[in-house]
Amino acid sequence: SAVISQKPSRDICQRGTSLTIQCQVDSQVTMMFWYRQQPGQSLTLIATANQGSEATYESGFVIDKFPISRPNLTFSTLTVSNMSPEDSSIYLCSVERGGSGSVYDEQFFGPGTRLTVL
Amino acid sequence: KQEVTQIPAALSVPEGENLVLNCSFTDSAIYNLQWFRQDPGKGLTSLLLIQSSQREQTSGRLNASLDKSSGRSTLYIAASQPGDSATYLCAVSGDNAGNMLTFGGGTRLMVKP
Repeated sequence: SAVISQKPSRDICQRGTSLTIQCQVDSQVTMMFWYRQQPGQSLTLIATANQGSEATYESGFVIDKFPISRPNLTFSTLTVSNMSPEDSSIYLCSVERGGSGSVYDEQFFGPGTRLTVL
Repeated sequence: KQEVTQIPAALSVPEGENLVLNCSFTDSAIYNLQWFRQDPGKGLTSLLLIQSSQREQTSGRLNASLDKSSGRSTLYIAASQPGDSATYLCAVSGDNAGNMLTFGGGTRLMVKP
């Protein structure tokens, strides 16, 4: 399995501000994923982050709102910009075991960042 | 577009019962299916991964089956315990977008002592 940590674990933020969430993995991985889980909902993929290239965003998510960095093979950040109460969610990063990029790789998730926007 | 549905949305059982959680998906062209457990306010813990060529996987009291052609998977929990109380999510991967997972809405399980 992969050991994944996220910082912060939770935060309460004011409307209009931005928060950067960090994701650290204990081994090198090719692909990292960022998901959002709104209250009472399941997970929705925000974007896929590959090292050395720009992130690929899913429909409904844009880079200006959720800029992502992937400076190396063990680290990524997600920024939630110009926050509103609708951004209150749990944000989770995930990776594939082994980083081989195989479609059969198991995905593992970080503990999540619980964000509340007032 | 892949859609994943989980039934029931919530389930309450007495301790010791065997139970089955259901997951269905609309596009059978999947690479794999994963079952996860999520405790309230926490991240996801991977329980089982079934590759598209496999029929089932077992881990302890958990057994997951996959019928790819019919678009169905079940998670069987034997001799349920209060510690099994959590939300169980199934997710499938495998479309033209790469390795992204499409999640079901989850089944919220309560096992009563």
